Amino acid sequence: KNEVEQSPQNLTAQEGEFITINCSYSVGISALHWLQQHPGGGIVSLFMLSSGKKKHGRLIATINIQEKHSSLHITASHPRDSAVYICAVKSSGDKLTFGTGTRLAVRP
Amino acid sequence: DAGVTQSPTHLIKTRGQQVTLRCSPKSGHDTVSWYQQALGQGPQFIFQYYEEEERQRGNFPDRFSGHQFPNYSSELNVNALLLGDSALYLCASSSHTEAFFGQGTRLTVV
Repeated sequence: KNEVEQSPQNLTAQEGEFITINCSYSVGISALHWLQQHPGGGIVSLFMLSSGKKKHGRLIATINIQEKHSSLHITASHPRDSAVYICAVKSSGDKLTFGTGTRLAVRP
Repeated sequence: DAGVTQSPTHLIKTRGQQVTLRCSPKSGHDTVSWYQQALGQGPQFIFQYYEEEERQRGNFPDRFSGHQFPNYSSELNVNALLLGDSALYLCASSSHTEAFFGQGTRLTVV
């Protein structure tokens, strides 16, 4: 079993829909990252969380430390949101352990 | 600030050759980590450098080695390349509060 599990693996949505991507982890962490990766490879850090909730534009990230679970929400989704979204946890030292990602396609 | 920069962006090598990938961290970041991302997979941790020393290492063979320079830039070296080493190699630099990733180097071994 992977230390970081994401669901769903693939997600297709219509423009304007509310989207939720989930991340569960099994190790103790000091922080959790939500990352966005577009075709071509470059990764952009969206959020780094250690507790509670963060919001940036149409993106909201929450984390429940007790339940070892985090969610990434996208409100009013747009085709430009199409990407792979990756959850990564910071555990021992500064090492990041990544989930396998959620591939999101938003159709116009 | 250019953020994290990696070079080269793409590279093709032959089995058995050696390769060196380079990373310049974001200004102010002293910790550099390297990751390997195979196609369709999440990145896997290779190793991390801090103060010119390897601080942590993932489950990669000794063919993978690295270095960090006094200006915090870093190199990843892979010897005796195998076809299975073909992947996107990502560099990340971090402080206590943030992490930034480079665009990656796509290595193809033929």
